[in-house]
Amino acid sequence: DAGVIQSPRHEVTEMGQEVTLRCKPISGHNSLFWYRQTMMRGLELLIYFNNNVPIDDSGMPEDRFSAKMPNASFSTLKIQPSEPRDSAVYFCASSLDLGQVDYGYTFGSGTRLTVV
Amino acid sequence: GQNIDQPTEMTATEGAIVQINCTYQTSGFNGLFWYQQHAGEAPTFLSYNVLDGLEEKGRFSSFLSRSKGYSYLLLKELQMKDSASYLCAVRDPTGGFKTIFGAGTRLFVKA
Repeated sequence: DAGVIQSPRHEVTEMGQEVTLRCKPISGHNSLFWYRQTMMRGLELLIYFNNNVPIDDSGMPEDRFSAKMPNASFSTLKIQPSEPRDSAVYFCASSLDLGQVDYGYTFGSGTRLTVV
Repeated sequence: GQNIDQPTEMTATEGAIVQINCTYQTSGFNGLFWYQQHAGEAPTFLSYNVLDGLEEKGRFSSFLSRSKGYSYLLLKELQMKDSASYLCAVRDPTGGFKTIFGAGTRLFVKA
């Protein structure tokens, strides 16, 4: 199993540009999570999907952020327009949620985003 | 509100035992996780507690007291490779089973 695959690993973009982060969860997992990690705020949950349906997007900072999961094997997180304060490491994680999780989430390697 | 507290940093000696504490206050509770995160890498799952008591897994053990909102991670026979951040996380079923992470404890293991 290749694990959770994220792309790109690094992204440097100019303020105002659109950024799209991609994630392929582990095959068979039914829950997918997008987290953002910074030194100041730690790991913050942005949004999560269960069976491709967004369940909670209360962590999405503002309307500039949007996420989609068109099928069970792919999700995107889009920032438009990007701002310097969006600079962070963005992690995607997946899990098999059967009502009682006892093996936690599997995280992807993350995308380090720098907005200049 | 939701709050997860753990010490910012700890230092311990190779071969020793270290205990990392975590206290939490969340709207609901459906399990507590510990993750390890090496610098520049993704978090990796270490343990899960949903009932009170101690769960042992090799050199690592995790304890939970739901009535006290308290957990600890115990690392025995410390090795240099254990230098990492340790994240306490609580699964909150309120509003859909999301997992909230603490800020993490950076552990430095010295020779």
